[in-house]
Amino acid sequence: GAGVSQSPSNKVTEKGKDVELRCDPISGHTALYWYRQSLGQGLEFLIYFQGNSAPDKSGLPSDRFSAERTGGSVSTLTIQRTQQEDSAVYLCASSLGGSGSMETQYFGPGTRLLVL
Amino acid sequence: GDSVTQMEGPVTLSEEAFLTINCTYTATGYPSLFWYVQYPGEGLQLLLKATKADDKGSNKGFEATYRKETTSFHLEKGSVQVSDSAVYFCALYNQGGKLIFGQGTELSVKP
Repeated sequence: GAGVSQSPSNKVTEKGKDVELRCDPISGHTALYWYRQSLGQGLEFLIYFQGNSAPDKSGLPSDRFSAERTGGSVSTLTIQRTQQEDSAVYLCASSLGGSGSMETQYFGPGTRLLVL
Repeated sequence: GDSVTQMEGPVTLSEEAFLTINCTYTATGYPSLFWYVQYPGEGLQLLLKATKADDKGSNKGFEATYRKETTSFHLEKGSVQVSDSAVYFCALYNQGGKLIFGQGTELSVKP
């Protein structure tokens, strides 16, 4: 089946604008993750959704960042009042979900965000 | 907290050379360990994984052994190809759902 898809693939915005990034996980995967890949910071965890449980938001860098997952499937990451330091590649991943150490996360191609 | 440290790149090798990319970790409990690869212009792909001590993960000629005594998960390949040029990320999965990544090591293989 299809892998994880993300849109847009590239986004250029002006400082202070809001942006929305979308992720479609693999069908049947109940766990969904957002990461950020930036120069100098490597790959950072942002937020994790597992089924209907409250998301783990511990990696969100500020209150300008938020994410939601509707109907247990598609997720949207929103960045309000973007700053230049938000420029990065935003990666979404999904996995089957559930507990245990066998989890393999499958990554989408990412959204490259550039804040001017 | 949990962390992963991997050797800094870039690493430049000639085709058919032996590859080692070092990875060590700090974690409580018994994490699972992964190597992900990112080819130029592509997304992250799982390369191999190991879920318990002494397990060996292998794929596409790459191998890594989960060494709990040295908290290491070094990536090796006996004979690299130009097509192996990519960025390699070591990662661990512990409780809580998230992967914790190393900084990534860029590998460049010259013909």
